[in-house]
Amino acid sequence: AQTVTQSQPEMSVQEAETVTLSCTYDTSESDYYLFWYKQPPSRQMILVIRQEAYKQQNATENRFSVNFQKAAKSFSLKISDSQLGDAAMYFCAYRIYNTDKLIFGTGTRLQVFP
Amino acid sequence: DVKVTQSSRYLVKRTGEKVFLECVQDMDHENMFWYRQDPGLGLRLIYFSYDVKMKEKGDIPEGYSVSREKKERFSLILESASTNQTSMYLCASRRLGNYEQYFGPGTRLTVT
Repeated sequence: AQTVTQSQPEMSVQEAETVTLSCTYDTSESDYYLFWYKQPPSRQMILVIRQEAYKQQNATENRFSVNFQKAAKSFSLKISDSQLGDAAMYFCAYRIYNTDKLIFGTGTRLQVFP
Repeated sequence: DVKVTQSSRYLVKRTGEKVFLECVQDMDHENMFWYRQDPGLGLRLIYFSYDVKMKEKGDIPEGYSVSREKKERFSLILESASTNQTSMYLCASRRLGNYEQYFGPGTRLTVT
């Protein structure tokens, strides 16, 4: 069975600094997607970044980038120049290519201090 | 902009009541999903639907049923609510062939 593990229940970072959130997953599939979702307090969950497993290049979206290590089954999220608005729950998720089902990790709560 | 709306942000029901949670999306998405979110457990899939009148069980379907009579609407039904169904319920939708799921704001259900 596929599983997604986020080993850091809580993280904190100072404004303008960089923080990395960890995610590992377990699968025997070769084609899949990985995602990071952000859930701000009392607001809707939104997609931050995605990575296709067949792509070797790490995805980047502005201040957000990933370190995708397929052999190690690791998918960490780096947030650069952290802002107060980055404070949220972050969920790592996995989906097998051509299926509908997303599997989520347990989440990491990120606090950003001024 | 894709919009996924849920009928209530907060709901309080009594044990044994029948509960309906409604979700509507306005972008003609084929797939719709119901998740339950609990602290320390993340999001767990209850049911999903890939077309009108079609449904598939997720990881935790026990105690729940769903209905999808129209493409834009996906309902989650608790036939007889129990206290262990107190949780945050999130609806999502996705266009077939796309990678992104769009989420609603959630319904925080308390069963007393």
